[in-house]
Amino acid sequence: QLQLQESGSGLVKPSQTLSLTCAVSGGSISSGGYSWSWIRQPPGKGLEWIGYIYHSGSTYYNPSLKSRVTISVDRSKNQFSLKLSSVTAADTAVYYCARAGNSDAFDIWGQGTMVTVSS
Amino acid sequence: QSALTQPASVSGSPGQSITISCTGTSSDVGGYNYVSWYQQHPGKAPKLMIYEVSNRPSGVSNRFSGSKSGNTASLTISGLQAEDEADYYCSSYTSSSTPWVFGGGTKLTVL
Repeated sequence: QLQLQESGSGLVKPSQTLSLTCAVSGGSISSGGYSWSWIRQPPGKGLEWIGYIYHSGSTYYNPSLKSRVTISVDRSKNQFSLKLSSVTAADTAVYYCARAGNSDAFDIWGQGTMVTVSS
Repeated sequence: QSALTQPASVSGSPGQSITISCTGTSSDVGGYNYVSWYQQHPGKAPKLMIYEVSNRPSGVSNRFSGSKSGNTASLTISGLQAEDEADYYCSSYTSSSTPWVFGGGTKLTVL
């Protein structure tokens, strides 16, 4: 059973860079046919897709965040990562990593990690 | 403002059926059969309940069903149970600037 686990700093200062990692267990991130996404949810609000990376390493980002987002993959550690630069309070949210397959549905999610942007 | 429109809340009594709508455009819901639904309990990650409009992942109760007509998708929950009380989000593949769009979410209250 494939599982995802987010980790990273829970408190980031304004203007700094948010960094999170999603560890994949029970399967390989290099398996074809899947994309690996980051999705966030501000407190009390809905879901926002941030971006994804394919097993090949190709990426696609939400245009609203594109200038600040980098998603990368470390196949040796079977994990992928998110960096979001120049954060503000508006970036405070629970951040989820998730897998999507050919059905274009997010079938596996991490448990989420809360990131607060505050000085 | 979310790209897909859902009612903010719906409610029903145990045993009843409810339907949650998800309205988009021909660029998303109406144009593709890649509509999915997620259930989210407080403090938990979303869980996939329906994919490709009407398919249920293994382990999801057959009380949950999905459909689509034009630009509107629907999630129906029959035989409401207390544990169905949660937030529900729809999502669709889209040909616009992002591959996926989400609805704003619907809070289901089981009376």
